[in-house]
Amino acid sequence: KQEVTQIPAALSVPEGENLVLNCSFTDSAIYNLQWFRQDPGKGLTSLLLIQSSQREQTSGRLNASLDKSSGRSTLYIAASQPGDSATYLCAVDSNYQLIWGAGTKLIIKP
Amino acid sequence: DTAVSQTPKYLVTQMGNDKSIKCEQNLGHDTMYWYKQDSKKFLKIMFSYNNKELIINETVPNRFSPKSPDKAHLNLHINSLELGDSAVYFCASSQEAVRTSGAGGNTQYFGPGTRLTVL
Repeated sequence: KQEVTQIPAALSVPEGENLVLNCSFTDSAIYNLQWFRQDPGKGLTSLLLIQSSQREQTSGRLNASLDKSSGRSTLYIAASQPGDSATYLCAVDSNYQLIWGAGTKLIIKP
Repeated sequence: DTAVSQTPKYLVTQMGNDKSIKCEQNLGHDTMYWYKQDSKKFLKIMFSYNNKELIINETVPNRFSPKSPDKAHLNLHINSLELGDSAVYFCASSQEAVRTSGAGGNTQYFGPGTRLTVL
């Protein structure tokens, strides 16, 4: 049974810092992995999708990596801004379903 | 221009009542989903419909009944609401349910969520 874990559960950093969010999954047989952002009271926004055959994807200041063999993905955020404050969720596409982590709540202090 | 919309955004009701949450997508997608996000922020899939046909039905109480009148709509009806039903419910859609080789993935687009509070 696929399980997804995100560490840390919460993270607070000063503005301008680079940071890394971690996601791990127990079954390497995944189709893809997605990173989402959730803002309070709002829906989920897809940030990056990495296919199982890919190693990384980049979008602006965001870079997501995938190491299927070790069951890990990281989301790298460069030059963090207060507007990056949100909960970041990773989800693996496993057996035609998205299996979710509990998220990392990120606070960027001005 | 909202891609996936849900109504209502907030729903407060008494135990034992019956309520519905509506979801509509204007993306032309074939597949729609309902997720439940519990207090610990875990999202769990409840149902998935592809072209109006049920393809995923996770272990949820049969008090929950999805209805898909057409490809663009997937409504969730809940009978005899219980305290444990309090959660945020998210609707989502994707282009396809069955992945084809070399396809660009199965990115799901989410609605804003419906916060259900059962008193």
